[in-house]
Amino acid sequence: DAKTTQPPSMDCAEGRAANLPCNHSTISGNEYVYWYRQIHSQGPQYIIHGLKNNETNEMASLIITEDRKSSTLILPHATLRDTAVYYCIVRVGSTGTASKLTFGTGTRLQVTL
Amino acid sequence: DADVTQTPRNRITKTGKRIMLECSQTKGHDRMYWYRQDPGLGLRLIYYSFDVKDINKGEISDGYSVSRQAQAKFSLSLESAIPNQTALYFCATSDFGLEGNEQFFGPGTRLTVL
Repeated sequence: DAKTTQPPSMDCAEGRAANLPCNHSTISGNEYVYWYRQIHSQGPQYIIHGLKNNETNEMASLIITEDRKSSTLILPHATLRDTAVYYCIVRVGSTGTASKLTFGTGTRLQVTL
Repeated sequence: DADVTQTPRNRITKTGKRIMLECSQTKGHDRMYWYRQDPGLGLRLIYYSFDVKDINKGEISDGYSVSRQAQAKFSLSLESAIPNQTALYFCATSDFGLEGNEQFFGPGTRLTVL
């Protein structure tokens, strides 16, 4: 699985958009980009994933560059409850033995008033 | 009710004791996983199981064993606990899907080995 690089921490004012970057310059053509978050020692929570196209769901948007070497998770209107560690994970789809996730150290997002 | 449950939620034990952590799920998923998390670090995979008859080692399986008693149950055992196994342990489940599979995590078990 491709290695990812994320900033260790970021701050965001409540109500503003939080843009969390992730570099994955060694990503392969069949690898997806996944985002999870972990709120204060709770179990990680799936946010979104994508392959090539930008994706949006009720929680966030995922912007993947055309060369797929980096991506950005966007929380459009951050709230205090979005304070968490955000993990960017790159891996192939879930066929065969490739289903397991490899978590790095993530980005600690602090949303402030 | 929670889809993925873990018992116990907290456990303090002594070095050399045998400990079992249990995980149950009601999501009907075939795939189950055990991770551990140390302070300030990401999750590391201990064992995973793609169905009842399939058990696989993860990146840090030494000192641990697992049992998949049924589709819904996946237990993690520490045969002889040692202090550096003090950590937060998470169970997760996922379905099979070609594109990619969301993993659903339990609330975690905080284990302290004295």
